[in-house]
Amino acid sequence: DIQMTQSPSSLSASVGDRVTITCRASQTFYNYLNWYQQKPGKAPKLLIYSASSLHIGVPSRFSGSGSGTDFTLTISSLQPEDFATYYCQQSYSTPLTFGGGTKVEIK
Amino acid sequence: QVQLVQSGAEVKKPGASVKVSCKASGYSFTGYYINWVRQAPGQGLEWMGWINPHSGSTVFAQSFQGRVAVTRDTSTATVYLEVSRLTSDDTGVYYCARRGERAAIDFWGQGTLVTVSS
Repeated sequence: DIQMTQSPSSLSASVGDRVTITCRASQTFYNYLNWYQQKPGKAPKLLIYSASSLHIGVPSRFSGSGSGTDFTLTISSLQPEDFATYYCQQSYSTPLTFGGGTKVEIK
Repeated sequence: QVQLVQSGAEVKKPGASVKVSCKASGYSFTGYYINWVRQAPGQGLEWMGWINPHSGSTVFAQSFQGRVAVTRDTSTATVYLEVSRLTSDDTGVYYCARRGERAAIDFWGQGTLVTVSS
């Protein structure tokens, strides 16, 4: 199984800050790397697929990059509605696996 | 628009089984795989498996093999997840979710809370 490790597990930031979350895979694969946002009590939502492609309706302040084993999600200017937990996930091989999550909290 | 609507919350006793439904609409049902993902209370996301609604073929994570079944009814565009021999560790929210481009999970159901308690 491919293990996905996210860092940090949590962070505090202010509105307007640039935020970066990293995800490292236990083995290299092509860009079958996706990012999700989840708010309390709600289902996750797809933000980024294929490492850097923005899902329909997702604001352009979200971006993804990386290849091989190291990937990054960046929020260019944090908005109040962005406080949530973010997960990376590989869809290269089954079982699909998720990172442990990064909780973004208000500073 | 793509919608996945799941059945309501369930409370079950240890050893029992539970069956959760997921009704799809707004797209070609047989054209997209459906995943099942579990989230234990306060924990992260765990992929359980998927079904190809066209063929009915399934793939499961090893930790669920032998205890989980996923079926579909193409006449109603509905997918079913059945989990047997429930334990308290099965308590959590179960999501159905569509497999999109590059196997990303592009649309999610609202989730079904399953509580296993004696």
